[in-house]
Amino acid sequence: GAVVSQHPSWVICKSGTSVKIECRSLDFQATTMFWYRQFPKQSLMLMATSNEGSKATYEQGVEKDKFLINHASLTLSTLTVTSAHPEDSSFYICSARRQGGGETQYFGPGTRLLVL
Amino acid sequence: GESVGLHLPTLSVQEGDNSIINCAYSNSASDYFIWYKQESGKGPQFIIDIRSNMDKRQGQRVTVLLNKTVKHLSLQIAATQPGDSAVYFCAGGSRTGSYQLTFGKGTKLSVIP
Repeated sequence: GAVVSQHPSWVICKSGTSVKIECRSLDFQATTMFWYRQFPKQSLMLMATSNEGSKATYEQGVEKDKFLINHASLTLSTLTVTSAHPEDSSFYICSARRQGGGETQYFGPGTRLLVL
Repeated sequence: GESVGLHLPTLSVQEGDNSIINCAYSNSASDYFIWYKQESGKGPQFIIDIRSNMDKRQGQRVTVLLNKTVKHLSLQIAATQPGDSAVYFCAGGSRTGSYQLTFGKGTKLSVIP
């Protein structure tokens, strides 16, 4: 159990376009989902915390108008990178915490974004 | 703010030997810690966790030790195998609040056949 999926697994887009990434908990309901960004050979940096039915909480330095997060259900959260630029190219990873299931976060496989 | 870091960025071990990966944390409010394994191009995979009221926890071939006095934890992998080659991250969090995790920098483990 505790499988998290992401779609797409990789995406290439032109500068100025928007890209949506989906994160789904496949076999459990997730109270909270988290979005991370990881640059090559670096650690995971938390971007935002998303609770179902409420606004996401963004970390300092993360633009909420650029990285739109929607958590409409207990199994789906989406991250939309608006007006993407080459510096937004990164590995985006989501995680989910099981409803009533403690502190462990289960991670998705990640989405590689390349902005040309 | 919290920081969680690692002593060694890379570690090479012979297949069959034991591996020890270390991690230091700074936030005394952290009350649980998780070790994750990340293979190239993939998301982190849960290995083992430990709460702050424990000092040792064992899993299959892995053991996590927690020393709250010096704010240090370690991951021990017994009989290291080539499939263990990956980057290992420690992460700390607090159960009071949003359960956010702060990740360390990562240690790359390379297993020599």
